[in-house]
Amino acid sequence: ETGVTQTPRHLVMGMTNKKSLKCEQHLGHNAMYWYKQSAKKPLELMFVYNFKEQTENNSVPSRFSPECPNSSHLFLHLHTLQPEDSALYLCASSQERGETQYFGPGTRLLVL
Amino acid sequence: AQKVTQAQTEISVVEKEDVTLDCVYETRDTTYYLFWYKQPPSGELVFLIRRNSFDEQNEISGRYSWNFQKSTSSFNFTITASQVVDSAVYFCALSEARTGGGNKLTFGTGTQLKVEL
Repeated sequence: ETGVTQTPRHLVMGMTNKKSLKCEQHLGHNAMYWYKQSAKKPLELMFVYNFKEQTENNSVPSRFSPECPNSSHLFLHLHTLQPEDSALYLCASSQERGETQYFGPGTRLLVL
Repeated sequence: AQKVTQAQTEISVVEKEDVTLDCVYETRDTTYYLFWYKQPPSGELVFLIRRNSFDEQNEISGRYSWNFQKSTSSFNFTITASQVVDSAVYFCALSEARTGGGNKLTFGTGTQLKVEL
């Protein structure tokens, strides 16, 4: 099943770098999500986009900047990150509210 | 506020044993959805089941079965005759319907299941 893809799968970056995570869904869904999964913490919802419009920003620091150019693509732009931002970043998509979210394989990010 | 509790942090069983993963939830919504996801070491969250709050029928899918009880706010997951390939972290999640579209999943902390030979 390759309904939701994420690139890169692994990323190592310094605190002064700028990088972007990419997510693409091939399911025809209207909503896309970014989650952060840190060790020993529950999955944290970061952003929600519905029909390309951001509908939720869960108090995420401005060093994380999402972009949703269309319903199939979602980006997470990263700049001046901190070591505590090291985590697995998961993208998901769903058709409508209440519908099942399907997840991508995630990007494992390490900030040095 | 919504909350999902998975009290079992880690469970170890021997292959072919049955195992039940517990999930207790809290919500003020009358309409909500419950999910189970599996996360193998590769990291991807694999969808297993979705149940809406109006459907309390238990469900069986092969070796997997789910017991939804609104009276106790629980949505437990049982694996029958466990196999090594079942080793993973299992997450229970609760979704609220949102007027802005999309839905917000609240996850439990997960239960690490280890199935040994």
